[in-house]
Amino acid sequence: AQSVAQPEDQVNVAEGNPLTVKCTYSVSGNPYLFWYVQYPNRGLQFLLKYITGDNLVKGSYGFEAEFNKSQTSFHLKKPSALVSDSALYFCAVMRRASWGKLQFGAGTQVVVTP
Amino acid sequence: NAGVTQTPKFQVLKTGQSMTLQCAQDMNHEYMSWYRQDPGMGLRLIHYSVGAGITDQGEVPNGYNVSRSTTEDFPLRLLSAAPSQTSVYFCASSQRQEEQPQHFGDGTRLSIL
Repeated sequence: AQSVAQPEDQVNVAEGNPLTVKCTYSVSGNPYLFWYVQYPNRGLQFLLKYITGDNLVKGSYGFEAEFNKSQTSFHLKKPSALVSDSALYFCAVMRRASWGKLQFGAGTQVVVTP
Repeated sequence: NAGVTQTPKFQVLKTGQSMTLQCAQDMNHEYMSWYRQDPGMGLRLIHYSVGAGITDQGEVPNGYNVSRSTTEDFPLRLLSAAPSQTSVYFCASSQRQEEQPQHFGDGTRLSIL
């Protein structure tokens, strides 16, 4: 069974509108949760992480993510999308005490139109 | 700092050939790993290392070997290339603490004919 699910292959949004990229997970315990972004022909770049504490996590480039334990979700959000936010976004999960063993979702392509 | 450097950027091999993908990092990171990225599947962990002299298998290790003789370098060897190994390969490194984010190289695009 897939541990990390990103239910949307692609998300289309107009510039200036809110952006949401969904992620749910099925990992036991209290895993670490991450979001990464990939631009064409580049490696993944870290955006933000949830370790513990506040359910709303703020990260790079104006992105934030909301952790919901009851729904096992970790959705990525940005209040006002930019054309430059067009990229491939990955959610990743790591079980505690499984150092470095990231499990990735399949990725969501975000397309922001002017 | 160069971060994580992968070479080559592109490579075409014939079935049965062997090759080594190079990965080097200059951040003194203990942890290094190799992933492959295939369309619709995200990234899958091939092998990882928690320090010099220590390696272990990830999710998809078959057909690949690794070694970690220094903190800086973590080469990935394809023993006998197969078309199923056509993929984009990423190397990553991170600090020792398990919650620290990983730093990725720009990838090696490998085609096996």
